[in-house]
Amino acid sequence: DTGVSQDPRHKITKRGQNVTFRCDPISEHNRLYWYRQTLGQGPEFLTYFQNEAQLEKSRLLSDRFSAERPKGSFSTLEIQRTEQGDSAMYLCASSFWTDQETQYFGPGTRLLVL
Amino acid sequence: GNSVTQMEGPVTLSEEAFLTINCTYTATGYPSLFWYVQYPGEGLQLLLKATKADDKGSNKGFEATYRKETTSFHLEKGSVQVSDSAVYFCALSDSGAGSYQLTFGKGTKLSVIP
Repeated sequence: DTGVSQDPRHKITKRGQNVTFRCDPISEHNRLYWYRQTLGQGPEFLTYFQNEAQLEKSRLLSDRFSAERPKGSFSTLEIQRTEQGDSAMYLCASSFWTDQETQYFGPGTRLLVL
Repeated sequence: GNSVTQMEGPVTLSEEAFLTINCTYTATGYPSLFWYVQYPGEGLQLLLKATKADDKGSNKGFEATYRKETTSFHLEKGSVQVSDSAVYFCALSDSGAGSYQLTFGKGTKLSVIP
């Protein structure tokens, strides 16, 4: 088991551009979560999937953000028309149905919007 | 709503010193409690957890006891090492919310000097 992986690890973009991040959860984990972590703060919940269904979205997830998990395996998080305030670490986590509350995190994607 | 409050950092200790990082929480339901650790440039790793009152979680010499009466989950270690230098996050998961999303504290940075 290779753990949760995220790609890319770092992304620098200019304001107004679109970016997409990918998360590959631990194999057979049915739940997948996205969090955002800004400097000096703890991670904040954005959204989660159970299999391919997106079941909850935080108020932090503006209309410019969209997440998908088309086949219930990997997930993508897209940010359209990026703003400087989007600069943060985007963390993905997954959990297995027999222990839903224990989440395993990936290394994160660090986004810098110039 | 749910919230987690951690002691302010940074904390600097000499090797072999005793460590305590305070954590208190507010929750509407019956949360499970977690400590995660984040090493520089890495994602979050689960350190330990406790799922009900009076449970003690332990791992790698770290311990924390779920105290419902004081709504606390303080992290302790008897003798810290330089390799323990990291940021520590206290978190809760409220199963009543259905999503098991994690609510984190702001983190406490620990530096251990030889």
